[in-house]
Amino acid sequence: SQQGEEDPQALSIQEGENATMNCSYKTSINNLQWYRQNSGRGLVHLILIRSNEREKHSGRLRVTLDTSKKSSSLLITASRAADTASYFCATRGGSSNTGKLIFGQGTTLQVKP
Amino acid sequence: EAQVTQNPRYLITVTGKKLTVTCSQNMNHEYMSWYRQDPGLGLRQIYYSMNVEVTDKGDVPEGYKVSRKEKRNFPLILESPSPNQTSLYFCASSLSKTGANGYTFGSGTRLTVV
Repeated sequence: SQQGEEDPQALSIQEGENATMNCSYKTSINNLQWYRQNSGRGLVHLILIRSNEREKHSGRLRVTLDTSKKSSSLLITASRAADTASYFCATRGGSSNTGKLIFGQGTTLQVKP
Repeated sequence: EAQVTQNPRYLITVTGKKLTVTCSQNMNHEYMSWYRQDPGLGLRQIYYSMNVEVTDKGDVPEGYKVSRKEKRNFPLILESPSPNQTSLYFCASSLSKTGANGYTFGSGTRLTVV
């Protein structure tokens, strides 16, 4: 079953603007991860935030986590055309023994040059 | 280069003809998993393996088999493929089942069953 729900489903911005994507989930989590997928290609791990963390940075990426609201956001600053891709959040269950990642449906980001 | 390698990248086959999609990782990862990705359904886990000789079902295991005889390899077997198994398949691995450092995905195998 889908745990992560992302918003918006699609986002189109100009190069240089910031892009914000949101993810909501339903159950308790160990961590939340963000992945990028270029069209038809494999997923690339971007950043992981643990349940006891509230904010994390990696280069132009900023991730926040609000466990009380069961939500996370991914901010890409100063976007580039190369950032055009689909972005997925994925959660690891708090009590899961399967190592399973549960993915959201993704946000498709288009960055126009 | 640390990576997960899947083969083939593309495959068109006929209903009922057994096929195997290979997956190999060179990172000494304990945990490996197979996902399928379908429009509107997202990524769904098929099977996973915690370690050598330890495998278990994910959310959509019907019609698939796996084996983990060596740590680096985790092939996905379709004994009798059907058109509803047409999909984009991904293999993933991580150092441990907790995925504390994220998961590494292969480039995908696009399978069409006619």
